[in-house]
Amino acid sequence: GAVVSQHPSWVICKSGTSVKIECRSLDFQATTMFWYRQFPKQSLMLMATSNEGSKATYEQGVEKDKFLINHASLTLSTLTVTSAHPEDSSFYICSASAQGAAFFGQGTRLTVV
Amino acid sequence: QKEVEQDPGPLSVPEGAIVSLNCTYSNSAFQYFMWYRQYSRKGPELLMYTYSSGNKEDGRFTAQVDKSSKYISLFIRDSQPSDSATYLCAMETGSYIPTFGRGTSLIVHP
Repeated sequence: GAVVSQHPSWVICKSGTSVKIECRSLDFQATTMFWYRQFPKQSLMLMATSNEGSKATYEQGVEKDKFLINHASLTLSTLTVTSAHPEDSSFYICSASAQGAAFFGQGTRLTVV
Repeated sequence: QKEVEQDPGPLSVPEGAIVSLNCTYSNSAFQYFMWYRQYSRKGPELLMYTYSSGNKEDGRFTAQVDKSSKYISLFIRDSQPSDSATYLCAMETGSYIPTFGRGTSLIVHP
């Protein structure tokens, strides 16, 4: 299957700082990538669809100014959580579609203290 | 009613048992059906991918789709403790944006 790599796997940051999460498709090109947020024992919640070379499409209720998405190349999308607060602590996962199925990164555990 | 319904469990079975995991859905436009396995604090891993109705087998795993009943299943034979994880069903219309079930927690005890 296709490989999606996400980095970092975990990060702890102070309240008010920004954190960048990278998502890379290693063996295929992804014109579209997806960012999810997952709370404990809950399913994946789609936050935004990242499109290469254009603006991301955000789901209702997701603050675009807080969760900045950049998809500058066919293999890299980044999610920046700006001015992070403790309520932003969560598990963030990216995915990209290849061969008709979605492939996920390893996820990033963000803890804001 | 949610588009995809999945019992969260937990489902606890003894090692060696046959496990049956299921999802129902309401959107008849779904054509692609997937099962993912997610270990704690990890991203989901694609297990099975099927298109339209029918069965697909891969090792100990069998995915079954019944579009007329809007019902999909994942069977795990000879279950192992290492199969303990959360299993997510997902489906999509061809838009590459999957809709996920909430996941079923499976515990296989020795």
